[in-house]
Amino acid sequence: GENVEQHPSTLSVQEGDSAVIKCTYSDSASNYFPWYKQELGKGPQLIIDIRSNVGEKKDQRIAVTLNKTAKHFSLHITETQPEDSAVYFCAASIRNYGQNFVFGPGTRLSVLP
Amino acid sequence: DVKVTQSSRYLVKRTGEKVFLECVQDMDHENMFWYRQDPGLGLRLIYFSYDVKMKEKGDIPEGYSVSREKKERFSLILESASTNQTSMYLCASTMDTEAFFGQGTRLTVV
Repeated sequence: GENVEQHPSTLSVQEGDSAVIKCTYSDSASNYFPWYKQELGKGPQLIIDIRSNVGEKKDQRIAVTLNKTAKHFSLHITETQPEDSAVYFCAASIRNYGQNFVFGPGTRLSVLP
Repeated sequence: DVKVTQSSRYLVKRTGEKVFLECVQDMDHENMFWYRQDPGLGLRLIYFSYDVKMKEKGDIPEGYSVSREKKERFSLILESASTNQTSMYLCASTMDTEAFFGQGTRLTVV
């Protein structure tokens, strides 16, 4: 089955700096890669996603890149702000196959003022 | 806004008790999931359901069962709670791609 690894497990950056979180997956059939943000006391919430026919996607300060050959994808957050502090999860799934997501172990991001 | 509501934020139960965790979604989603969240392990899938009265085992189904009698409601059952089931439990629903999560239930088994 699919296995998703995620690094680093914790990340501290100064406000205004960039943050990068990396994930790898094992199943070449996976074709949908979402990123979820979990704030304290809340459930995870989708922040950005990418499909396997796209190499990069941006949404304001957030971007995701995908390298299908190497089976890895990354989340990039620029100009970090204190409200970006949260736990971030990457996931992989086969779209249109029941959406059975496999999640990475998570990255705790702390943005220091 | 899609809403996924879990019946309890915090629960404390005794070893051996039967425990019910309830989840309700209001968007007519077909797919519903129960995950367990533990530090360093991420979200692990316990059970999921694609339709009413249908259920599929996830990666860690041992010690759990589920019930889906109505489309909007998906229940997780711990038949005989044990201390190693102390964890955060998250319910989610999805129709196409995006998964919508509830706020989580932190269960402590003593």
